Amino acid sequence: DAGVIQSPRHEVTEMGQEVTLRCKPISGHNSLFWYRQTMMRGLELLIYFNNNVPIDDSGMPEDRFSAKMPNASFSTLKIQPSEPRDSAVYFCASSYTGLNTEAFFGQGTRLTVV
Amino acid sequence: AQSVTQLGSHVSVSEGALVLLRCNYSSSVPPYLFWYVQYPNQGLQLLLKYTSAATLVKGINGFEAEFKKSETSFHLTKPSAHMSDAAEYFCAVTQGGFQKLVFGTGTRLLVSP
Repeated sequence: DAGVIQSPRHEVTEMGQEVTLRCKPISGHNSLFWYRQTMMRGLELLIYFNNNVPIDDSGMPEDRFSAKMPNASFSTLKIQPSEPRDSAVYFCASSYTGLNTEAFFGQGTRLTVV
Repeated sequence: AQSVTQLGSHVSVSEGALVLLRCNYSSSVPPYLFWYVQYPNQGLQLLLKYTSAATLVKGINGFEAEFKKSETSFHLTKPSAHMSDAAEYFCAVTQGGFQKLVFGTGTRLLVSP
């Protein structure tokens, strides 16, 4: 398996533009997570899905952020409109459901909003 | 809610020296604890996990961690540091009915020759 695949790896966009980050989880995994990593705040869980259903989106910073999982093999995280403070590395991770199961991370998308 | 605290944002050791990275947890129920490693410009990779089967857990690359309930700790150790161990290390705990992984703030390990 190729692992969790995220695209793009790098994104530079202007303030106010819409940004869409993409994630393909590992086949067979039924939990998917979106994290944001910054120097100031570390690793923050934004949202997680189980069986394509959003379970907890309490980490989504504000209404500008939205996430979807239309099927078991694809998820998107959208920021509209983007702001400079959204600059961060965004990670997608997937796993089987279970408290002691390992989460596999993608390589991340480095987003820069100028 | 379960959480973890990592003491020390940076730890510096010499090559060949003992590595000790600290993690304390807060949990009202038996926790599931993890250590992940992040190399520069990479995603996180699992080092080891505690699932109550054994208090001393061995992971990849010679790392191990010991679960101590009396101290609410899950410190990560390696007897002899290698230059390739330089990375950021995260302790994490699962929270809630599903696997909601909550991470500590991370500890950057620096290894000098």
